[in-house]
Amino acid sequence: GAVVSQHPSWVICKSGTSVKIECRSLDFQATTMFWYRQFPKQSLMLMATSNEGSKATYEQGVEKDKFLINHASLTLSTLTVTSAHPEDSSFYICSARREKGQGGTDTQYFGPGTRLTVL
Amino acid sequence: QKEVEQDPGPLSVPEGAIVSLNCTYSNSAFQYFMWYRQYSRKGPELLMYTYSSGNKEDGRFTAQVDKSSKYISLFIRDSQPSDSATYLCAMSANDYKLSFGAGTTVTVRA
Repeated sequence: GAVVSQHPSWVICKSGTSVKIECRSLDFQATTMFWYRQFPKQSLMLMATSNEGSKATYEQGVEKDKFLINHASLTLSTLTVTSAHPEDSSFYICSARREKGQGGTDTQYFGPGTRLTVL
Repeated sequence: QKEVEQDPGPLSVPEGAIVSLNCTYSNSAFQYFMWYRQYSRKGPELLMYTYSSGNKEDGRFTAQVDKSSKYISLFIRDSQPSDSATYLCAMSANDYKLSFGAGTTVTVRA
């Protein structure tokens, strides 16, 4: 149990375009999902906390107008990178929190990641 | 000073050896401690989860948490080449926001 998927797994886009990444919890409901980015040989940096039915909470230094987050249901959160530029190229990873009552440990389970390359 | 410190390695051991990984932290509010394994270009996979201080064992993996010293460890017994990966420690307070260590890259030589 506790499977989280992401789509797409990789995407290449031109500078100035927008890219949407989906994160789904497949076998549990997640009122809270998190979005991270990871640069090569570095650890995960939290970008924002996505709450179902309410606005996302962004970490300091993350542009909310550039990284749009929508958590429309208990199993789906989306991250849209708007007007992408080469410096936005990175590995984006989502996680979903499986709370107590759904079996097992109350912790975060991660998706496989999306590699974004902006040309 | 980073909130979570982890030696990035790399760490290379022969097959069958014990792998010892550790992290230190500064935030006394952390109560939940996790170890994740990450293969290249993949998302992190939860290995061990511990609440507060104590030891936890799962197969070849043992996690230890010493809150008084703000120190956590992960031991891998009888290491296999398939254990070669990056190991990330992570921890959180009641807000469930994870703070990660830098990750330690481990290579188990056949």
